[in-house]
Amino acid sequence: SQTIHQWPATLVQPVGSPLSLECTVEGTSNPNLYWYRQAAGRGLQLLFYSVGIGQISSEVPQNLSASRPQDRQFILSSKKLLLSDSGFYLCAWNTQRGLGTGELFFGEGSRLTVL
Amino acid sequence: AQSVTQPDIHITVSEGASLELRCNYSYGATPYLFWYVQSPGQGLQLLLKYFSGDTLVQGIKGFEAEFKRSQSSFNLRKPSVHWSDAAEYFCAVGRAGNQFYFGTGTSLTVIP
Repeated sequence: SQTIHQWPATLVQPVGSPLSLECTVEGTSNPNLYWYRQAAGRGLQLLFYSVGIGQISSEVPQNLSASRPQDRQFILSSKKLLLSDSGFYLCAWNTQRGLGTGELFFGEGSRLTVL
Repeated sequence: AQSVTQPDIHITVSEGASLELRCNYSYGATPYLFWYVQSPGQGLQLLLKYFSGDTLVQGIKGFEAEFKRSQSSFNLRKPSVHWSDAAEYFCAVGRAGNQFYFGTGTSLTVIP
């Protein structure tokens, strides 16, 4: 069966420090991978998605970046965190289904607090 | 532009009462539709999905949803709510190009 892992689960970082959140998927090949951010009391904001190694699409311009160094690994990074980067970050994966897109499967999330 | 609207930000129901959470979408073609549930501090869990066929779909935990093309709606229902159903519920639309659009969510409180 497929599983998705995110780490760290919780992170407290000072403003201006770097960030690295990692996500790996097991049990599937060539998944589509996504990073979402969920601010307190708000919905999900798509940050990045990737359909293959080295292929990253950015939905929202910001000081965050994403990389996909391996087929089932997706990394969210920042060189200098801002207070506004605080939130709950969710990694997700899916596969193509027919002419559309299959359901997303989410990791357990990483809570980032920037102080 | 595609969008998903969940008009109810917060709903409170009594345990054992019926539940309906509303979802409307704006999309030119027949979308793929989903409902997710999120417990506090957790990721999202898929409740049910609609791709095609029967417009009434059954999901986990006793939930069901009905796709109504004429109303561009995909409302979630449960005949009898349990206290453990208290959570945040998200409606989503998936389309070609691996694009997902989520509603802003409906927070459900269940009172004994």
